[in-house]
Amino acid sequence: DAKTTQPPSMDCAEGRAANLPCNHSTISGNEYVYWYRQIHSQGPQYIIHGLKNNETNEMASLIITEDRKSSTLILPHATLRDTAVYYCIALILWSGGGADGLTFGKGTHLIIQP
Amino acid sequence: GAVVSQHPSRVICKSGTSVKIECRSLDFQATTMFWYRQFPKKSLMLMATSNEGSKATYEQGVEKDKFLINHASLTLSTLTVTSAHPEDSSFYICSAEPDSQPQETQYFGPGTRLLVL
Repeated sequence: DAKTTQPPSMDCAEGRAANLPCNHSTISGNEYVYWYRQIHSQGPQYIIHGLKNNETNEMASLIITEDRKSSTLILPHATLRDTAVYYCIALILWSGGGADGLTFGKGTHLIIQP
Repeated sequence: GAVVSQHPSRVICKSGTSVKIECRSLDFQATTMFWYRQFPKKSLMLMATSNEGSKATYEQGVEKDKFLINHASLTLSTLTVTSAHPEDSSFYICSAEPDSQPQETQYFGPGTRLLVL
């Protein structure tokens, strides 16, 4: 799986959009970009994933550059409860066979300021 | 939907005893579950892949005789930390992949905090 690079920490004001970058310059054509977050002392929570196209769900939007070497997770209206460590993971989805465990990097500690 | 539970949420035990942690998928079936551990201020580390009806696959450096995994049904995987020692104190988290959504995403349990005295 491609290695991903994220800034160790970021601050964002409550109510503003939080934009979390992720570099994955060695990503291969069949690797998806996944985002999870972990609120302190809890299990990780799935946020969103995508391959090429931008994706949006009720939690966030995912913008993937055309060359797929980087992506940005956008939390449109950050709240204090969005304070967490956010992990960007590149993962191959096999068309058959078993799934793979996730390789977590250090993630970005997003702190939402009141 | 897609809820994963773990039991117990926290456990304190004496050195040398064994501790069993349960991971259940509450509203879906999961042939594949995963076990992770996390040390304070560190990222999660995959320990093993648990497959229903077959032996677990352990990551390099994880002792299979120390961390026994049993995936007895499509909704339950257990991790037993045998002869626990203080260095086994950690946050153990499981995840499960719904059979109805293969290779889509994993749903994580809330974690079990183990403290070995």
